[in-house]
Amino acid sequence: NAGVTQTPKFRVLKTGQSMTLLCAQDMNHEYMYWYRQDPGMGLRLIHYSVGEGTTAKGEVPDGYNVSRLKKQNFLLGLESAAPSQTSVYFCASSPGQSSAFFGQGTRLTVV
Amino acid sequence: GESVGLHLPTLSVQEGDNSIINCAYSNSASDYFIWYKQESGKGPQFIIDIRSNMDKRQGQRVTVLLNKTVKHLSLQIAATQPGDSAVYFCAERGNGFQKLVFGTGTRLLVSP
Repeated sequence: NAGVTQTPKFRVLKTGQSMTLLCAQDMNHEYMYWYRQDPGMGLRLIHYSVGEGTTAKGEVPDGYNVSRLKKQNFLLGLESAAPSQTSVYFCASSPGQSSAFFGQGTRLTVV
Repeated sequence: GESVGLHLPTLSVQEGDNSIINCAYSNSASDYFIWYKQESGKGPQFIIDIRSNMDKRQGQRVTVLLNKTVKHLSLQIAATQPGDSAVYFCAERGNGFQKLVFGTGTRLLVSP
């Protein structure tokens, strides 16, 4: 029972490079979320999705794009990475109006 | 707007003591609240939740209290153990809202 799996776990990017973070869940959840967590801070919502083919902006969406082509996957893209995007990224999924289950995180460093 | 905050950034207790972690929220339309535990290097882990039609809910060694009048949420941990050392977050979701909004967290340090 994998739950929520994030790929990769670590990544170092140069400023201006692009990359995609993958989140996969095997719980058939409708809702999926991408958060970022900076040192000593809480989690801030980047984008979320309430179902296959739908996405919406969260609190800090600038510089990120997302896609939910399949119900089990939620992709987070950085088109042109900036040092300010150095953070730990967490994906979560939820069956609906209830608790969310989190992945183990992706530590991204932009140099 | 929506916001969730915490009164104490760090709480230090002795093993065996009871711990109380507090959280204030500002969105009176929120109707679902969750407490998460986050250990170093890991993702947040669900502890307990409560809906706005309740004022208290108990789990194993944990109790969540909700005071809607003053928009306050607390997590009580009984007989705190070293393994309880972590950062604790409260989170809220509003009625009809799809977003889950987190507070900044409280670090709980348990000394033997």
